[in-house]
Amino acid sequence: GQSLEQPSEVTAVEGAIVQINCTYQTSGFYGLSWYQQHDGGAPTFLSYNALDGLEETGRFSSFLSRSDSYGYLLLQELQMKDSASYFCAVRGSSYQLIWGAGTKLIIKP
Amino acid sequence: DTAVSQTPKYLVTQMGNDKSIKCEQNLGHDTMYWYKQDSKKFLKIMFSYNNKELIINETVPNRFSPKSPDKAHLNLHINSLELGDSAVYFCASSQDTGNEQFFGPGTRLTVL
Repeated sequence: GQSLEQPSEVTAVEGAIVQINCTYQTSGFYGLSWYQQHDGGAPTFLSYNALDGLEETGRFSSFLSRSDSYGYLLLQELQMKDSASYFCAVRGSSYQLIWGAGTKLIIKP
Repeated sequence: DTAVSQTPKYLVTQMGNDKSIKCEQNLGHDTMYWYKQDSKKFLKIMFSYNNKELIINETVPNRFSPKSPDKAHLNLHINSLELGDSAVYFCASSQDTGNEQFFGPGTRLTVL
């Protein structure tokens, strides 16, 4: 079967750095995406990695290792507004994203 | 300015009723999706249309029927609603293969 695994919950302190990991097992691989969803809101796109390495967008970075079927989202200088659920998703074939169950990020002052 | 819009935002109805949710996107995308998100936040793809053609049809009861009158619209009709249909339904769109999907605000469906 196809599956993505990510921690269900991560807690961090405001101003700190946190890493959310995602491992995947899919029959095809065309890229790893990350989405953020605040409570009561809709998922919003954060980043996409098709090739190995680190992609940086402001305070957020995303990493991919295709040989390890592994990626992570790195959030720096955490702010209270970063409290949300973070989903990794793999494009296993054209048009279809396979989604992880989401990681709830709790930020403490 | 709204990129992907859905109506209604909230829908409360009795078991056995039939209801529809409408979705429109003004991004010029060629692919649209319906997702169901349950109370545990798990996002499940239900359907996807590319240029009005159904391309993804996951294991979903046939009480759910999508309709895409044109590239900018994808509606979801649900017959004989059941308690288990209570969830948030998201419409989304993307260009081509869907690495970056844009989501609507969601429709919270409650079946009593």
